[in-house]
Amino acid sequence: NAGVTQTPKFQVLKTGQSMTLQCAQDMNHEYMSWYRQDPGMGLRLIHYSVGAGITDQGEVPNGYNVSRSTTEDFPLRLLSAAPSQTSVYFCASSYTGTGAHEQYFGPGTRLTVT
Amino acid sequence: GDSVTQMEGPVTLSEEAFLTINCTYTATGYPSLFWYVQYPGEGLQLLLKATKADDKGSNKGFEATYRKETTSFHLEKGSVQVSDSAVYFCALRSGATNKLIFGTGTLLAVQP
Repeated sequence: NAGVTQTPKFQVLKTGQSMTLQCAQDMNHEYMSWYRQDPGMGLRLIHYSVGAGITDQGEVPNGYNVSRSTTEDFPLRLLSAAPSQTSVYFCASSYTGTGAHEQYFGPGTRLTVT
Repeated sequence: GDSVTQMEGPVTLSEEAFLTINCTYTATGYPSLFWYVQYPGEGLQLLLKATKADDKGSNKGFEATYRKETTSFHLEKGSVQVSDSAVYFCALRSGATNKLIFGTGTLLAVQP
């Protein structure tokens, strides 16, 4: 049981380049989400999904796209990277429904855009 | 909208000192409240949670009580260790969604 995995761990991009951050979970969780972590701002929700084929925007969605074709995978795409997207990105997953379900976080991807 | 406010750090303590990290929230309805911990270079891990007023969450010597009257969920530990050095995040989940709203995090540094 690997939990939530993210790749890559580190990435450097030039402005305008595109890339996909990968996220996978093996706990059969319906809910998956992406956060970015910036100094002094905590974690902010980018996009989330409540199941395969269903995605929605969070607090800071601009510049990012997601899709959810399977329960296990939830990739985050940057179509044209900007320096403002320099951040640490975390993927998380949990069960849905009533109850305070724990969200499980991946180890993060540190992205630098120059 | 819903929000979480937690005390700014860094908080620097000596080993065996008493810890309090303040957290207050604004939310409609009755949110669930969480404390997550982030050790250096790692993702976040759930430390404890509470789902209704007067609930006390506890784990690894840490405690927090859901206080509806003061809209607070302060984190406490009676005797901190060097291994407790980490960033601590207060968070809430409101309504029927799974979305978490985080505070800005508090860095705790415990010196031997």
